[in-house]
Amino acid sequence: GDSVTQMEGPVTLSEEAFLTINCTYTATGYPSLFWYVQYPGEGLQLLLKATKADDKGSNKGFEATYRKETTSFHLEKGSVQVSDSAVYFCALITEINYGQNFVFGPGTRLSVLP
Amino acid sequence: DAGITQSPRYKITETGRQVTLMCHQTWSHSYMFWYRQDLGHGLRLIYYSAAADITDKGEVPDGYVVSRSKTENFPLTLESATRSQTSVYFCASSGNYHHEQFFGPGTRLTVL
Repeated sequence: GDSVTQMEGPVTLSEEAFLTINCTYTATGYPSLFWYVQYPGEGLQLLLKATKADDKGSNKGFEATYRKETTSFHLEKGSVQVSDSAVYFCALITEINYGQNFVFGPGTRLSVLP
Repeated sequence: DAGITQSPRYKITETGRQVTLMCHQTWSHSYMFWYRQDLGHGLRLIYYSAAADITDKGEVPDGYVVSRSKTENFPLTLESATRSQTSVYFCASSGNYHHEQFFGPGTRLTVL
């Protein structure tokens, strides 16, 4: 079935470091891909998305490119801040016969130290 | 206020009791979802609904019941709570299955 794999962390970085969180997927259809962020004590918020191959999603300095050939959607940020400390979830939505399939990865906890 | 809300935010109950978690959204979104979040499992889909009176099972539906008589409400019922259902439950809504999902603040449920 459809699945999302991402590095579980925790990932600990110093402020202004470069961030990469890897995400790969398997899907039977043609998924839309998402990154969500969860701050402590809150629900998930959409960070960015891409709906077709080679699309790049970007928001708040974060970027991810939909790579169909490698089935990947890695999250990157050039210079992290303490306020980026959160859990990041990679997710996909794909259509299957007579229904839809929604799958989230396990989440990657990021801690940014001042 | 506009948005998606969940109630209660915290609930402690005992094994065998019935518990209902409420979810309400003000956007008239067609799709609504219930997830549970557990350490080591991330988010897992329990049930979802594509419209009023249309619901379907997700990855982990056993022990849960949902209904959707009105577009804006999507209650989740644990008919006979078990300790394994201790979790944080998130409700979400979406205007279209390819669009982003908007999440509620979550309900932390403890079953003793």
